[in-house]
Amino acid sequence: GAGVSQSPRYKVAKRGQDVALRCDPISGHVSLFWYQQALGQGPEFLTYFQNEAQLDKSGLPSDRFFAERPEGSVSTLKIQRTQQEDSAVYLCASSSPSHPGEQYFGPGTRLTVT
Amino acid sequence: GESVGLHLPTLSVQEGDNSIINCAYSNSASDYFIWYKQESGKGPQFIIDIRSNMDKRQGQRVTVLLNKTVKHLSLQIAATQPGDSAVYFCAENIPIQGAQKLVFGQGTRLTINP
Repeated sequence: GAGVSQSPRYKVAKRGQDVALRCDPISGHVSLFWYQQALGQGPEFLTYFQNEAQLDKSGLPSDRFFAERPEGSVSTLKIQRTQQEDSAVYLCASSSPSHPGEQYFGPGTRLTVT
Repeated sequence: GESVGLHLPTLSVQEGDNSIINCAYSNSASDYFIWYKQESGKGPQFIIDIRSNMDKRQGQRVTVLLNKTVKHLSLQIAATQPGDSAVYFCAENIPIQGAQKLVFGQGTRLTINP
């Protein structure tokens, strides 16, 4: 596709359930980022991949959050035992080696934990 | 109209007027700054960027000004149109291993009055 895609666009989970959020980056983009955006706030960095290697996961809020990118393209952000404070929009972005500072964002997945 | 970014998150202007959105950043080591536009239900969209060795950069109807002395950025939008209504974020690019992560400000909601 022409841009970054994410699925599902909306997810409602009961507290305690596990969820998996998918990101398809722009083809050829080796860098992939996950951000969390709370309502009315700016996105906050969660984790970063270069190809399949997770080089920075300093923003993951707890060990319930896990991300992977096993083949260096599609990435999945998994949240185990969801809590109400996990409710947010989860954004994925990718960038190319030639323009590492220009990140292209997907539409996000809105997670609501009830 | 003009905002002070973090301290005034909403800016209303008349269609056709110029808008100025302000942002303060915190990291003196930041060398690259970006303005993003985020419409409802969408991910942030790149508008314009500026490197720390510049103090001004112009795009189509937009100008970014950088004042490193006081760590201040502004985004000027000329002749605002209804399609400019969105939340605008400034972001600093912070180097991480092999890439750069974005640190976003809180954002300013721009509303265009007909």
